[in-house]
Amino acid sequence: VTTQSPLSLTVAPGEPASISCRSSQSLLHRDGKNYLDWYLQRPGQSPQLLMYLSSTRASGVPDRFSGSGSGTDFTLKISRVEAEDAGVYYCMAALQTPGTFGHGTKVEIK
Amino acid sequence: EVQLVQSGAELKKPGESLKISCTGSGYSFTNYWIGWVRQMPGKGLEWMGLIYPGDSDTRYGPSFRGQVTISVDKANNIAYLQWSSLQASDTAVYYCVRRNVVAVANVYYYYGIDVWGRGTTVTVSS
Repeated sequence: VTTQSPLSLTVAPGEPASISCRSSQSLLHRDGKNYLDWYLQRPGQSPQLLMYLSSTRASGVPDRFSGSGSGTDFTLKISRVEAEDAGVYYCMAALQTPGTFGHGTKVEIK
Repeated sequence: EVQLVQSGAELKKPGESLKISCTGSGYSFTNYWIGWVRQMPGKGLEWMGLIYPGDSDTRYGPSFRGQVTISVDKANNIAYLQWSSLQASDTAVYYCVRRNVVAVANVYYYYGIDVWGRGTTVTVSS
């Protein structure tokens, strides 16, 4: 089970935001990597990859996004929220095939 | 350009069968897992399962095993998701995705679910 919090948050442009993800089992593989991804689904769009292996930004993802954590507890941070960051953020436990998505965190911009 | 192109929207009646498709292009189709993700109206993402086109190894999510069939035509770079008897609860958007894992000298490198199709909307209604 993968649990996200909060379920939703409203952030003013330029302010920071933080989303937590907790897994019921450790996502730390014997290769030393944490198999936890983050995805963003903007309204009316397909989800897109933001972060994989807990802290590696996907191609084209701005550096205001950062991921951290290990084992069972993970965090996605946005240093300065912009209007285009609105949408639903999902974490996904990727250690097993297929993985398990969290229920999502809806981010709205003030 | 790497892309997954999905078949169009479907409107079906309960009890009918359905097979939707996903065509990969711009990469070596047989070397990457292809998966299906369900999103019911207003809800989150759910893994249905994945298939490795190279050897047809298929893994299903526990909620979907026995409910759907995932298959592949590797000669034509197409993955399929099919139902034998649809129910109203199958109404959803279904995303085709690529799971990027690269093997180098028996070491596996993971790069996330890096390609998503636009989704196929399936509506089941009498």
